[in-house]
Amino acid sequence: DVKVTQSSRYLVKRTGEKVFLECVQDMDHENMFWYRQDPGLGLRLIYFSYDVKMKEKGDIPEGYSVSREKKERFSLILESASTNQTSMYLCASSTPGQRYGYTFGSGTRLTVV
Amino acid sequence: GENVEQHPSTLSVQEGDSAVIKCTYSDSASNYFPWYKQELGKRPQLIIDIRSNVGEKKDQRIAVTLNKTAKHFSLHITETQPEDSAVYFCAASPPGNTGKLIFGQGTTLQVKP
Repeated sequence: DVKVTQSSRYLVKRTGEKVFLECVQDMDHENMFWYRQDPGLGLRLIYFSYDVKMKEKGDIPEGYSVSREKKERFSLILESASTNQTSMYLCASSTPGQRYGYTFGSGTRLTVV
Repeated sequence: GENVEQHPSTLSVQEGDSAVIKCTYSDSASNYFPWYKQELGKRPQLIIDIRSNVGEKKDQRIAVTLNKTAKHFSLHITETQPEDSAVYFCAASPPGNTGKLIFGQGTTLQVKP
């Protein structure tokens, strides 16, 4: 019963490429989030969205942008990929008030070479 | 903004022993504190959460305590089993309706049979 789907499990891209990471949820959640996970640093918030077409920067937005044209889809865009963006990217969604906490996607392991 | 510190970064216990993971947060207005478990190669899953109007919550072998005055909260796992081996993340939710979570750095728990 997968409810948050990330389009790619593994991705290898070249430095300078524009990269799109897609996330789709089927739970009608208002809130969606993008995190990157690095060993020893935990999960760091890149961007989040609490409504269609609404977005806010998280703690580490530099080098990233996002798009939320439809409620169920939240895309993370690396405008010009760099090697320091090699990481595991996790998408999550939730309802207002955190009634059930986050539901995470399975993650996208991105390698930039 | 909110900052969450988590200790220890690694924890090794014998099967049957108890394990305690501690987190501190900086924003006294944060009001929701979940704990996530991430098994190797899998997505983080919510295991227990606590809200700021509650001091302690238990669910079978796991419990969470919250000290609002000191701004810290802890995860307690009793009678540990090998399947408890995983990375555990604490998080805090700053006030507002965005639902965003700020995560700690993670604790790798190893339960030795």
